[in-house]
Amino acid sequence: DADVTQTPRNRITKTGKRIMLECSQTKGHDRMYWYRQDPGLGLRLIYYSFDVKDINKGEISDGYSVSRQAQAKFSLSLESAIPNQTALYFCATSEVDRGGNEQFFGPGTRLTVL
Amino acid sequence: LAKTTQPISMDSYEGQEVNITCSHNNIATNDYITWYQQFPSQGPRFIIQGYKTKVTNEVASLFIPADRKSSTLSLPRVSLSDTAVYYCLVGELGVNAGKSTFGDGTTLTVKP
Repeated sequence: DADVTQTPRNRITKTGKRIMLECSQTKGHDRMYWYRQDPGLGLRLIYYSFDVKDINKGEISDGYSVSRQAQAKFSLSLESAIPNQTALYFCATSEVDRGGNEQFFGPGTRLTVL
Repeated sequence: LAKTTQPISMDSYEGQEVNITCSHNNIATNDYITWYQQFPSQGPRFIIQGYKTKVTNEVASLFIPADRKSSTLSLPRVSLSDTAVYYCLVGELGVNAGKSTFGDGTTLTVKP
C-alpha cells in the first residue's frame, strides 16, 4: 500500500466551483506539503505544515487554503477555482529526524478547471 | 533561499556516465544540497543529499567543491529508465527544512 495517497487522482471542474484535494499518509511524519506543477515546469510550494497546529504559506498560496485535520491528513482547497489553477498537484511528507529535506511524494492529482 | 541554476536539458546514451551540475552561488552555511528525480506524471523521488566533498549511494554520487557554490550529480552507466527530470534543491535541515524550492530541473534523455 502507498505511504502517501491523494484523492481524487483526476478531477475536472468548472470555474467558480469549490474543490478539495485530500492527502493521507501512513508514514507517521509530522511535516506535510502541497505543491503544484505546471507543464514543463518545476514544483512550486503552496502551503506546508510542520505539525497539526502549524500551517505556513508557500510561494503561491493565493487562491488556496489548507486544513490539517490530523497528523496523517492534509487537505488543499480551492475556494473558487479558476482556469489558471489547472495543474498537477502533489502532496508530500517529511520527518525532521532524518533531516527533513527528504520528502516523500504522493501520486498526484490532475486538476482541470474549465 | 538560495537560488539554483541547472541546464534545461541533457542527452546521453545507455552505458555512459552522466554528470549534471547545479549552481548555487548564494548557498548559506547551514544549507544542504538535495537531488530529486521525477518521471512523467509522478511525484519526485529523493536521490541523494550532501553538505560537502563527496557522497555516494547505490544509485548516484554527489560531488561538492570546497566553496559549495555548485554541485554535480553523477549517474554511473545510465539506462533508458534513467530518462527523467532531475532537480537540485538547496536548503537547511532540521527545524528549518522543507522550505527549499524546486527549480525547473534538468531533463535527461537517455538514448539507446
